[in-house]
Amino acid sequence: QQQVKQSPQSLIVQKGGISIINCAYENTAFDYFPWYQQFPGKGPALLIAIRPDVSEKKEGRFTISFNKSAKQFSLHIMDSQPGDSATYFCAASKSTGGGNKLTFGTGTQLKVEL
Amino acid sequence: DSGVTQTPKHLITATGQRVTLRCSPRSGDLSVYWYQQSLDQGLQFLIQYYNGEERAKGNILERFSAQQFPDLHSELNLSSLELGDSALYFCASSVGPATTQYFGPGTRLTVL
Repeated sequence: QQQVKQSPQSLIVQKGGISIINCAYENTAFDYFPWYQQFPGKGPALLIAIRPDVSEKKEGRFTISFNKSAKQFSLHIMDSQPGDSATYFCAASKSTGGGNKLTFGTGTQLKVEL
Repeated sequence: DSGVTQTPKHLITATGQRVTLRCSPRSGDLSVYWYQQSLDQGLQFLIQYYNGEERAKGNILERFSAQQFPDLHSELNLSSLELGDSALYFCASSVGPATTQYFGPGTRLTVL
């Protein structure tokens, strides 16, 4: 059972455009929602993260929007650049219970074209 | 560079063999996690250690085992390898048992 659903699977955006990736989760015990960026041959790198007590978090060109009632969150990349071309993973975890395993979405391959 | 190191970078072995993957966490991090990334299963959590003790377990096969040593480095042991074990294996570390995880560069395992 996949607990974090991510869409779209792939995305092509023009340079300067807005990239939007969506995720939905099922487990209401999740209380930490990070986004990771992964380039080919590299490990996932933390991009931005949010906790459910806020509805939006912005860091530079990257914004997370969070809708607790809908159990959805999304990543917006403003002014997308060719260097943003990578695979993006949303994830979720619950910090109680002693463990902190990340449950990942299936990933979105983003390509930013000139 | 996340500060998490993993060795080896690549590993090619045959079915039925046993391998050991090594991870050194970021300086000061007490928690280590292991994840498997494959094309069909995506990124899957295997196991977490905090200061030498097992904290959480995912869908880790019985053929796989891990440990965290007193110097906080961790090893993932994979035995009786099968073709389906071919994947990228990532280690991540965090300061506490429930804080931000930073991933290493991974070990690419190929089982022939």
